[in-house]
Amino acid sequence: EPEVTQTPSHQVTQMGQEVILRCVPISNHLYFYWYRQILGQKVEFLVSFYNNEISEKSEIFDDQFSVERPDGSNFTLKIRSTKLEDSAMYFCASRDGPEAFFGQGTRLTVV
Amino acid sequence: DAKTTQPPSMDCAEGRAANLPCNHSTISGNEYVYWYRQIHSQGPQYIIHGLKNNETNEMASLIITEDRKSSTLILPHATLRDTAVYYCIASLGSGNTGKLIFGQGTTLQVKP
Repeated sequence: EPEVTQTPSHQVTQMGQEVILRCVPISNHLYFYWYRQILGQKVEFLVSFYNNEISEKSEIFDDQFSVERPDGSNFTLKIRSTKLEDSAMYFCASRDGPEAFFGQGTRLTVV
Repeated sequence: DAKTTQPPSMDCAEGRAANLPCNHSTISGNEYVYWYRQIHSQGPQYIIHGLKNNETNEMASLIITEDRKSSTLILPHATLRDTAVYYCIASLGSGNTGKLIFGQGTTLQVKP
């Protein structure tokens, strides 16, 4: 069974620091996504990425956020200057058809 | 993307069928209905999707009404491991690759 891999599983960072969340999508997929889930709340769409560029982003995805596919396998989400309210579970997903495959998430804690 | 409405919670006895309803009265003709679930805090898991016809796979069945304004996800023999939050999503996307907008979902509790 193919799977999306995310690292690290848990990251603690100081407010104002930069963090990079990493994802390895399924190898032949072309569409990539980041979602986040604040504790006790619903899963929220952040950004979609296709053909090496952002195809859509939500209001949450402001200038503090960026995504990159630095090589043929990784897909990263960078938060430039973390805030307390960025504390959440971040999920990466990839798809090439109806079924989106989600990773197990990175729990980001900003202190 | 059309808004969907689901009951916040449901219970089901182990071994019985779980029928999870979803209303999507504003769905457009080319929007698909997707069902995902999230077990505890894991990543969402795809279950099934459909456009007009009823669909069945190894996990579940999806019944879509003829007017497409509502649908029902059926887990034929629920087990304790099916306890999860179930999300019904109406999504418009080229080639089925658009974003997914999650609502609050239905928390299904399967009881022994």
